Amino acid sequence: KNQVEQSPQSLIILEGKNCTLQCNYTVSPFSNLRWYKQDTGRGPVSLTIMTFSENTKSNGRYTATLDADTKQSSLHITASQLSDSASYICVVSYRGSTLGRLYFGRGTQLTVWP
Amino acid sequence: ETGVTQTPRHLVMGMTNKKSLKCEQHLGHNAMYWYKQSAKKPLELMFVYNFKEQTENNSVPSRFSPECPNSSHLFLHLHTLQPEDSALYLCASSRTDRDTEAFFGQGTRLTVV
Repeated sequence: KNQVEQSPQSLIILEGKNCTLQCNYTVSPFSNLRWYKQDTGRGPVSLTIMTFSENTKSNGRYTATLDADTKQSSLHITASQLSDSASYICVVSYRGSTLGRLYFGRGTQLTVWP
Repeated sequence: ETGVTQTPRHLVMGMTNKKSLKCEQHLGHNAMYWYKQSAKKPLELMFVYNFKEQTENNSVPSRFSPECPNSSHLFLHLHTLQPEDSALYLCASSRTDRDTEAFFGQGTRLTVV
């Protein structure tokens, strides 16, 4: 069964600290993996996309990694800011899929305290 | 802004009411989607439209009725809803239904009383 599991479910960190969010998936055959950021009361916004051949990709203070062998991805946030408080959603698509065949994680709720 | 606009942002309705959610995209995309997001659950796909034609109905109850008059506009008509239908309803678009990147609207927070 194709699934996407994220951990932790929620996380609280102090401003300026780093954190890492995890995503494990069983979706196969794999096409790509996206991390989305969803601010409270708003729609998700794409942060980064990882394809099968990519191991690491950065977008400012966000760095995503992918291990296609173990089917794991992580999102590392450096020097966190209050504006990083949001839900981070991992989305995996399988090869040949349309948008109707995306698999969503439940998200990690990150809270950054001053 | 992502180029996908949803109205209203918030909606409270009784179980006997009829209301509609509206979505408009300014990205020139050809595929549009409705998703339901409930607390602590993954996004659930409801409907897919590609070039105005419905290509997927994910076993959604008939009290939810979508309408797509053109590639830029999408509606979700609601009638005789249940309290468990309270959720954030997200509209999304993509260039085609083969594209895996979704551009989401800000959502409509629906409360059924």
